[in-house]
Amino acid sequence: DADVTQTPRNRITKTGKRIMLECSQTKGHDRMYWYRQDPGLGLRLIYYSFDVKDINKGEISDGYSVSRQAQAKFSLSLESAIPNQTALYFCATATGGANQETQYFGPGTRLLVL
Amino acid sequence: DQQVKQNSPSLSVQEGRISILNCDYTNSMFDYFLWYKKYPAEGPTFLISISSIKDKNEDGRFTVFLNKSAKHLSLHIVPSQPGDSAVYFCAAKLLYGQNFVFGPGTRLSVLP
Repeated sequence: DADVTQTPRNRITKTGKRIMLECSQTKGHDRMYWYRQDPGLGLRLIYYSFDVKDINKGEISDGYSVSRQAQAKFSLSLESAIPNQTALYFCATATGGANQETQYFGPGTRLLVL
Repeated sequence: DQQVKQNSPSLSVQEGRISILNCDYTNSMFDYFLWYKKYPAEGPTFLISISSIKDKNEDGRFTVFLNKSAKHLSLHIVPSQPGDSAVYFCAAKLLYGQNFVFGPGTRLSVLP
């Protein structure tokens, strides 16, 4: 079984709709992240959480919100989806200290906003 | 402006030859670097890392070189295999920083 899972894997939605992307992990890691990938831009950080009570904005948090329901679960919400939020979204967990950290990624959610 | 750059969007190499993927960064305070490999329909997977106290790290067929004065790192794959065909991302982190900054990726194609 995969250590980091994301649901759904693919989603098509319309402009203005609220949607939620979910991430679960069985690795027992405290740190969790949401990224989006766009062609030519690599992965950009949306939000991150270092434990259940710690939520932080990343580089591109506008238009998104997150919820850390438990150590193992980290959800990303688009409050009112717009077409430029069409992208590939990745959840990741991390372990390790400074200069030893490694991130483990889920398989991604492909989102299309019409 | 991107802090981590991978100026070659794609690279093609013959099987058995060396693949060299390059990464440049602008922030001299970056202290820790990683390479990730990504296959289609999968998330990125960790490949190899290097700390700024080293200039080389090796793991099997994969070697990462770091040139701090030039703010440049490279990933060497020797010998290249068709299964190495993927997108490779370079990522950098500040010492005690909280997050990684990723480059845009280079698509490697290893031709049989």
